Amino acid sequence: DQQVKQNSPSLSVQEGRISILNCDYTNSMFDYFLWYKKYPAEGPTFLISISSIKDKNEDGRFTVFLNKSAKHLSLHIVPSQPGDSAVYFCAASGDGGSQGNLIFGKGTKLSVKP
Amino acid sequence: GAGVSQSPSNKVTEKGKDVELRCDPISGHTALYWYRQSLGQGLEFLIYFQGNSAPDKSGLPSDRFSAERTGGSVSTLTIQRTQQEDSAVYLCASSEDSTNEKLFFGSGTQLSVL
Repeated sequence: DQQVKQNSPSLSVQEGRISILNCDYTNSMFDYFLWYKKYPAEGPTFLISISSIKDKNEDGRFTVFLNKSAKHLSLHIVPSQPGDSAVYFCAASGDGGSQGNLIFGKGTKLSVKP
Repeated sequence: GAGVSQSPSNKVTEKGKDVELRCDPISGHTALYWYRQSLGQGLEFLIYFQGNSAPDKSGLPSDRFSAERTGGSVSTLTIQRTQQEDSAVYLCASSEDSTNEKLFFGSGTQLSVL
């Protein structure tokens, strides 16, 4: 049973527009959430994170929103750029980020078209 | 080194053979993780090392899988009597310590079991 779900396997967006990637989780004990970005033939790279004590965290063009009551988080990229084209993984942790076992979703492939 | 290094980058083996995958973490990072990504799936946690503590082996799928970390640095993941379902990308990651959620991933080893 998937504890972290990314229900959209792919997303296509026009350059300059907003990209919204969604993630749902089932375990209410999760208290730290992360987004990783992965290019082909490379390992995932950390993008942005959010603690459950917050509902928003912003870093440049990237903003993560957390809705604990809905067990839902989303990653907003604005404006989207062709270089943002990659697979985005949502991940969750149940011990303030200190647990070694991050639970990852299956990823969403974002394509940003020029 | 500058990043997490994994070798080999690709490995093709015959069913029933043993394989060893190597990971060189970032110098000074005390936490080391192994994940795998099967086709169309998310990242599946396998095992986690933190300093000199006993590793968290809770993600290893069977007793054919084992890993060790010598001298708190290099790690080797061994798969004995490989099966076709073992085919996946095996990713190693390291972090400064177990309280730091920011994992740095290597490029992975693509394992193909024929």
